[in-house]
Amino acid sequence: AQSVTQLDSHVSVSEGTPVLLRCNYSSSYSPSLFWYVQHPNKGLQLLLKYTSAATLVKGINGFEAEFKKSETSFHLTKPSAHMSDAAEYFCVVSDTGKLIFGQGTTLQVKP
Amino acid sequence: NAGVTQTPKFRILKIGQSMTLQCTQDMNHNYMYWYRQDPGMGLKLIYYSVGAGITDKGEVPNGYNVSRSTTEDFPLRLELAAPSQTSVYFCASSQGGSSYEQYFGPGTRLTVT
Repeated sequence: AQSVTQLDSHVSVSEGTPVLLRCNYSSSYSPSLFWYVQHPNKGLQLLLKYTSAATLVKGINGFEAEFKKSETSFHLTKPSAHMSDAAEYFCVVSDTGKLIFGQGTTLQVKP
Repeated sequence: NAGVTQTPKFRILKIGQSMTLQCTQDMNHNYMYWYRQDPGMGLKLIYYSVGAGITDKGEVPNGYNVSRSTTEDFPLRLELAAPSQTSVYFCASSQGGSSYEQYFGPGTRLTVT
């Protein structure tokens, strides 16, 4: 069965500094991988997805993620954090059409 | 184009009561899903549907039922509410399976006391 592990439950950065949210997955075949963001009291919104095309995936709001098969990782990055990036981020793997969610990483952005 | 809508936004139930959470999408998506999100956790799949008349269990289906009579609607039924069902419930829809984006509703916050 596929699974996903987010390595940090909470990440705190200063505004203008880089963001790194880490995600490892396990899969017996080539997976589809996603990052979703959830702002307080809102539904989830897709940031980006990997579906076996380019290994570096660009998403909305300046976020990127790199698929590394050898490391089974799909880390999310952004060069410069903005206050509006403060939210909960979920790494997700697709298993035969169903999504398996990581536990989530809370991103705090300090002024 | 409203996307995925859910009603109600909030609900408090007493133990043993029943209720239906409503979900409607206007994107003509075949796939629809119900998730629950407990504090500090990711979403867990309760039930899903790949088209009208077709439903299947997800990871945590016990205590819930669903039906899919139309493409647009996918209601979730709680028959005998229990405190363990206190959670935030999200409905989602997608155009297809594995690699397709899922579109989420705003959620229903349910408390069972």
